[in-house]
Amino acid sequence: GQQVMQIPQYQHVQEGEDFTTYCNSSTTLSNIQWYKQRPGGHPVFLIQLVKSGEVKKQKRLTFQFGEAKKNSSLHITATQTTDVGTYFCVRQTGANNLFFGTGTRLTVIP
Amino acid sequence: DAGVTQSPTHLIKTRGQQVTLRCSPKSGHDTVSWYQQALGQGPQFIFQYYEEEERQRGNFPDRFSGHQFPNYSSELNVNALLLGDSALYLCASSPGLYSGELFFGEGSRLTVL
Repeated sequence: GQQVMQIPQYQHVQEGEDFTTYCNSSTTLSNIQWYKQRPGGHPVFLIQLVKSGEVKKQKRLTFQFGEAKKNSSLHITATQTTDVGTYFCVRQTGANNLFFGTGTRLTVIP
Repeated sequence: DAGVTQSPTHLIKTRGQQVTLRCSPKSGHDTVSWYQQALGQGPQFIFQYYEEEERQRGNFPDRFSGHQFPNYSSELNVNALLLGDSALYLCASSPGLYSGELFFGEGSRLTVL
């Protein structure tokens, strides 16, 4: 189908440890977006990747788009308690029609 | 600059009733999309409005309908509520149909008893 699958579904890390979530699609993606949703909050846009093999960094966050444009990853270095939340990779089709992945819920233990 | 605002924030209805949720997009945005997020799940696309017309629709029954007004604000209506309609309903706006990034509101939490 159109859904993108994410692993792991849940991740508990000690504060300071690194964290990675992976996103996989059975079809080639025109682009991939990442959103973060804090507990009880709403999704907030993090980044959009468009080019094959693209790597973008935002402070401690590193985003990658696979060479085949079928997978993506988000890596957080030295997690902090403020990183807690669910991270969604999102497939865009047509006009801003977003299909959210299953999400990875990150818990950071102080 | 106000972001996306939604009302009400919480509401409780009973099965068979009807509900209307409202959304004001971020200033400068003319496109509004609605999403349903069940507990523990990712948001699911309901439909999108642009120029007061429904442009795209997800896999939701006709009980879900909407409207966009000339000032770009939007309403989501759900008729004949079912228990399974209990969810967080999120409104998202963007400056145009193909801008990419969506700005989400805080959502309206609907509980159907």
